Amino acid sequence: DTAVSQTPKYLVTQMGNDKSIKCEQNLGHDTMYWYKQDSKKFLKIMFSYNNKELIINETVPNRFSPKSPDKAHLNLHINSLELGDSAVYFCASSQPGQGLETQYFGPGTRLLVL
Amino acid sequence: GNSVTQMEGPVTLSEEAFLTINCTYTATGYPSLFWYVQYPGEGLQLLLKATKADDKGSNKGFEATYRKETTSFHLEKGSVQVSDSAVYFCALLDTGRRALTFGSGTRLQVQP
Repeated sequence: DTAVSQTPKYLVTQMGNDKSIKCEQNLGHDTMYWYKQDSKKFLKIMFSYNNKELIINETVPNRFSPKSPDKAHLNLHINSLELGDSAVYFCASSQPGQGLETQYFGPGTRLLVL
Repeated sequence: GNSVTQMEGPVTLSEEAFLTINCTYTATGYPSLFWYVQYPGEGLQLLLKATKADDKGSNKGFEATYRKETTSFHLEKGSVQVSDSAVYFCALLDTGRRALTFGSGTRLQVQP
C-alpha cells in the first residue's frame, strides 16, 4: 500500500498553461507539505497544511496555490507556468506530537515546462 | 535561520570501502536530525534519524551520531555496496516550524 501518493508522476506542459498536482496520504497524518527540488537537487519547503489549515507559506510566487479539501489530500495548482517552474515537486506528510516527527515523502512529480 | 551544510559530491568509492558523508548544521534550539536517501528516479526515503544529543541513528548498516558540541551528524557505513549508490540528504527539523531544512545532497557512486 502506498503511504503518500502523487499524480501525475511526470508532467510536460507549455509555458503559460495552468496545471495541478495531486497528493494523497493514507497514514492518517494531520500535516502535509509541498517541497520543491530544483535541477541541482536542492530541496526547499513551499507550503505546509495542518488539518486543512495553511501553517507554512514560504516566499513562493502567488501563481502557486495549495488546496487541502480534507486532511488526507493536499493539491498544488500552478497558474501561468514558467520555464523556471521546471522541477521535481514532492509531497510529504507527518503526524505532529508523536515524539520524533518523521516526514514521509511521495515519489515526486517531475514537471517540465517547455 | 536554520541551515545544513553537507560535503560536496560526488563521492566515488569502491565496493566494501568505508563511507563518511559530513553534515553540520546551524539551528536555534534543539532540532531533530535526519538522513534521507534518494535513489535514481525515485522519491526520498528516510534512512535514519536522531532526536537529541548523543543519540545514534542506524539503519541498513548506516549510522550517524547527533553531536551537539560540534553541531554535526555525519553519516557512516563500514562497507558500501553498489546498491548504496544514491543521493544522500542531511536534514534538520525545526520542531516549532515543522519544516525540514535540507542540505544540498551528496551523490555517492559505488563501483564494483
